Amino acid sequence: AQSVAQPEDQVNVAEGNPLTVKCTYSVSGNPYLFWYVQYPNRGLQFLLKYITGDNLVKGSYGFEAEFNKSQTSFHLKKPSALVSDSALYFCAVRAYGGSQGNLIFGKGTKLSVKP
Amino acid sequence: EPEVTQTPSHQVTQMGQEVILRCVPISNHLYFYWYRQILGQKVEFLVSFYNNEISEKSEIFDDQFSVERPDGSNFTLKIRSTKLEDSAMYFCASSDGARGALNTEAFFGQGTRLTVV
Repeated sequence: AQSVAQPEDQVNVAEGNPLTVKCTYSVSGNPYLFWYVQYPNRGLQFLLKYITGDNLVKGSYGFEAEFNKSQTSFHLKKPSALVSDSALYFCAVRAYGGSQGNLIFGKGTKLSVKP
Repeated sequence: EPEVTQTPSHQVTQMGQEVILRCVPISNHLYFYWYRQILGQKVEFLVSFYNNEISEKSEIFDDQFSVERPDGSNFTLKIRSTKLEDSAMYFCASSDGARGALNTEAFFGQGTRLTVV
């Protein structure tokens, strides 16, 4: 069965420092991986995705993620965190149960960036 | 920028009542989804819809749930007889699938918070 794990409930970072939000996955076949961000009382906003090609994917708001097939990981990174990056981050993988393939989400990681 | 819109933002209903959650997907999108997020828990897939029919549904999506695309713009989720455990944030999403549905990102609405009392 396909699954996504986000091992950290919360990540605390000082503004200006690099941040990493971890994600590992388990799928049969090639994974399609996504990161979404959820600000308080808002919906899910798409950040970036990995489909194929370069393992380092760049997305919105200066975020990037590195796909590592051997470690089955897709960690989200940013070189310099901003207070405004504080939000809930979800990693997701596309499943193969149907023709469209629903998204399977991790439980989310709360990122807190302090000034 | 086009966006998915959902109404209402918050719905309070009594247990056993029917509710209809409404969504307007992005206009040129072909695939539509409903997800839910119980407070403090992960986002869970409910159902996907394509070409005027359900293409996939989860075990959560039982006979109490139904979806409909009554016209060219709206996409609705109906819960026939609500239970306390249906209280959650319900997200509608759509994707264009132009490059293939699997590798296309889904765009989410802001959600409807359903509270069953």
